Amino acid sequence: EDQVTQSPEALRLQEGESSSLNCSYTVSGLRGLFWYRQDPGKGPEFLFTLYSAGEEKEKERLKATLTKKESFLHITAPKPEDSATYLCAVQAPGTASKLTFGTGTRLQVTL
Amino acid sequence: EAEVAQSPRYKITEKSQAVAFWCDPISGHATLYWYRQILGQGPELLVQFQDESVVDDSQLPKDRFSAERLKGVDSTLKIQPAELGDSAMYLCASSRNYRGDYGYTFGSGTRLTVV
Repeated sequence: EDQVTQSPEALRLQEGESSSLNCSYTVSGLRGLFWYRQDPGKGPEFLFTLYSAGEEKEKERLKATLTKKESFLHITAPKPEDSATYLCAVQAPGTASKLTFGTGTRLQVTL
Repeated sequence: EAEVAQSPRYKITEKSQAVAFWCDPISGHATLYWYRQILGQGPELLVQFQDESVVDDSQLPKDRFSAERLKGVDSTLKIQPAELGDSAMYLCASSRNYRGDYGYTFGSGTRLTVV
């Protein structure tokens, strides 16, 4: 069974204080690893898809990386508007293409 | 920017009553998903459609939940009878294809409270 573990559960940063979120996964053949941002009371917002070990993608202050066992979401010089829950999900090959999500990391960025 | 539409945004219902949620995916998206998200947890797949056909409903509690996508466009998820443990956010998502090459776009969800 596919499993995703995210750490830490919660993270509090000061504005400008860079850090990383971790996503460890176990899947029978990874087709893709997805990162989403979720604001309170809203649906997840797509950030990145990574397909193979060594791949990296960037968007503004966010950078996602992938190894064979885990993914990191690096946040450089965060701002208060980056406060949200960040969800990681994995997808196994096949037409039944469900995403298996972790429980997320709640990020709070303060002034 | 195209969005996945869901209604209602909030629903309060009494235990044992019936409740229904509606989803309109992004135009042209063949794959549609219903996920359930309990507070503090990640979303879990309930059912996946490819056009009008069910691809995966292995996690759908079929004794009380049903889902349909009759013309391969919009979809309805129904719960009858509702139980206290069904209180959660119900999220609809769609993608261009089953691989989700461009990511899955989620709607804003329906927050269900069963009392």
